Amino acid sequence: AQSVTQPDIHITVSEGASLELRCNYSYGATPYLFWYVQSPGQGLQLLLKYFSGDTLVQGIKGFEAEFKRSQSSFNLRKPSVHWSDAAEYFCAVSSTDKIIFGKGTRLHILP
Amino acid sequence: DGGITQSPKYLFRKEGQNVTLSCEQNLNHDAMYWYRQDPGQGLRLIYYSQIVNDFQKGDIAEGYSVSREKKESFPLTVTSAQKNPTAFYLCASSITGNGGELFFGEGSRLTVL
Repeated sequence: AQSVTQPDIHITVSEGASLELRCNYSYGATPYLFWYVQSPGQGLQLLLKYFSGDTLVQGIKGFEAEFKRSQSSFNLRKPSVHWSDAAEYFCAVSSTDKIIFGKGTRLHILP
Repeated sequence: DGGITQSPKYLFRKEGQNVTLSCEQNLNHDAMYWYRQDPGQGLRLIYYSQIVNDFQKGDIAEGYSVSREKKESFPLTVTSAQKNPTAFYLCASSITGNGGELFFGEGSRLTVL
């Protein structure tokens, strides 16, 4: 069965520091992969997606993610975080007719 | 502006009452979805619909019902059979039901008193 694992429930980084959020998936074929961000009490917004091609994908707000087939991973990175990046981040994998989400990683930013 | 509108944003209900959450989209998307979100649980799929007059159960459909009479509308009814209805409910849509990017509404928070 398809699944998505985000090992870190909470992550705290200082403003200006680099960030990496981990995501591992289980899927039988080449997956479609997504990262979404959610501010408190709001819906989710797409940060970036991987369908095929270049394994390093660029998204909005300065985020990028790298697809590594050998590790079944799709980690999200940002070189320098801003206080406005504090939110919850969800990794997702697309199945045949629906999208499966990880349980999320809440990002806290220290001033 | 195109988007997804969920209403109401906040809803309070007494035990034993059915409530209906509205979801309307003007993106001309074929597929629509309802998710439930609880702290630390991520998003769990309740129902989804890939075409008008057709819908499928997701992972946690018990105690919920939906209809898809119009392309732009996908209301969710939380019935009295749902044991733990207090949650944040998110509606989403996509161009197709296969690998498409999801567009989300801002959510509805249901509290059972």
